Amino acid sequence: DTGVSQNPRHKITKRGQNVTFRCDPISEHNRLYWYRQTLGQGPEFLTYFQNEAQLEKSRLLSDRFSAERPKGSFSTLEIQRTEQGDSAMYLCASSPRSDAYGYTFGSGTRLTVV
Amino acid sequence: GDSVTQMEGPVTLSEEAFLTINCTYTATGYPSLFWYVQYPGEGLQLLLKATKADDKGSNKGFEATYRKETTSFHLEKGSVQVSDSAVYFCALTGGYNKLIFGAGTRLAVHP
Repeated sequence: DTGVSQNPRHKITKRGQNVTFRCDPISEHNRLYWYRQTLGQGPEFLTYFQNEAQLEKSRLLSDRFSAERPKGSFSTLEIQRTEQGDSAMYLCASSPRSDAYGYTFGSGTRLTVV
Repeated sequence: GDSVTQMEGPVTLSEEAFLTINCTYTATGYPSLFWYVQYPGEGLQLLLKATKADDKGSNKGFEATYRKETTSFHLEKGSVQVSDSAVYFCALTGGYNKLIFGAGTRLAVHP
């Protein structure tokens, strides 16, 4: 297993377009988190999945954002009608049932909205 | 709500200098505390952690002690190297073990 994989690494899109990011966690990890990091700031929590259930969503996650984790494996994060303020690094992390603090972060998807 | 405050950077040191990066937190309950490091062009990596009061986390020469009485988790290293240049994030666990991060402190170490 090579860790948490995120695709694409970079995405440039025009304002108003929809984008989708994918996260493949470590296979035995049942917990999956999405975070957003803007320049000069720490990552901010967006949403959390335990297996396929989305158990928490941040207020930061407007109705333009939706996340899924079908079958408790990979996860997707979709942003509809992108705005310039959505430009950020989107990070995915996973952790196993046996160690809730054993996070592994992916390298992130950098989104630029022009 | 729960939050983390870190000292502002950048912190600029000469090689072999002593490092302290201050971190204080506000939390309900008894969170676990973490330091993460982000090297240029790389993802976040766990540096060390402490899960209860008075615990000391340590790794690669870095140390931090969970001080409940002062709600602090300051990061220290006795002798920094150029390779320690990175951004350091203090974090605590909130509900569902999500991480709540500080804004980060950039460290630059010069030879």
